[in-house]
Amino acid sequence: KAGVTQTPRYLIKTRGQQVTLSCSPISGHRSVSWYQQTPGQGLQFLFEYFSETQRNKGNFPGRFSGRQFSNSRSEMNVSTLELGDSALYLCASSPTGAGEKLFFGSGTQLSVL
Amino acid sequence: AQSVTQPDIHITVSEGASLELRCNYSYGATPYLFWYVQSPGQGLQLLLKYFSGDTLVQGIKGFEAEFKRSQSSFNLRKPSVHWSDAAEYFCAVGAGQTGANNLFFGTGTRLTVIP
Repeated sequence: KAGVTQTPRYLIKTRGQQVTLSCSPISGHRSVSWYQQTPGQGLQFLFEYFSETQRNKGNFPGRFSGRQFSNSRSEMNVSTLELGDSALYLCASSPTGAGEKLFFGSGTQLSVL
Repeated sequence: AQSVTQPDIHITVSEGASLELRCNYSYGATPYLFWYVQSPGQGLQLLLKYFSGDTLVQGIKGFEAEFKRSQSSFNLRKPSVHWSDAAEYFCAVGAGQTGANNLFFGTGTRLTVIP
C-alpha cells in the first residue's frame, strides 16, 4: 500500500504570493490532517478534514485554508505569503480520525523569500 | 487547554545504553498520549500510544512508555539504544476521539547515539 504522498517536496515563493500544497492519503483513509513544523514553534495543528468537511481547526489566520475532495485527497492553500510561513508542512491521514494512528507524509518544505 | 512539555532538548547516549525521554502533559481529562519519531527529512512515525487500560505501553522498535496520572507524565524508555535510534522524538496529546487528530506536540527531544 502506498504511503501518504505530498507534493511538491520543495517550494520557493516570494512574499505576497499564494501557494497550494497537495496531499494524497493512504487508500481507504478518510481523515486528513495538516500540521506546520518550524524550528521556533514546533509542530502546530492547522486543520483536519473528514469526508470533505473541515472537522477541526487550529489557531491560524484565515490566510490558511484547505479542502478535501471526494477521493479524500486534500489541498491546503496559503494566500498572501509572509516570511514567517516558511516551514515544513506535514500531512497525515488515518481511516476515520477517531484516535487511530496517524500516518505522516514526508512533507512539503516551503521557503518564502 | 492541552500542552506538552519535553524538558530535554538534546540527549546523547552511548549505543547499548538505556534511554529515557521525559514528557509532561497538561489536560483536564484522561488524555490520548502519543510518542512519534522523526528522522531527518522525513515525516513522523508513531512509536506508541496510550488511550486507556494498562499504563505501561509497548511500542515498535523496542520502545515502551509509562503513563503516570499523578505526575502527568508519559516518559519513553528503551533498555538498549541502537545507532539507528538517532532521531527527534515528539510527545503529543490529543483531546479525545474526535479530537485525537488535533494533536498538541511537545517541542521534541533530539537523540544522538555515540558508538
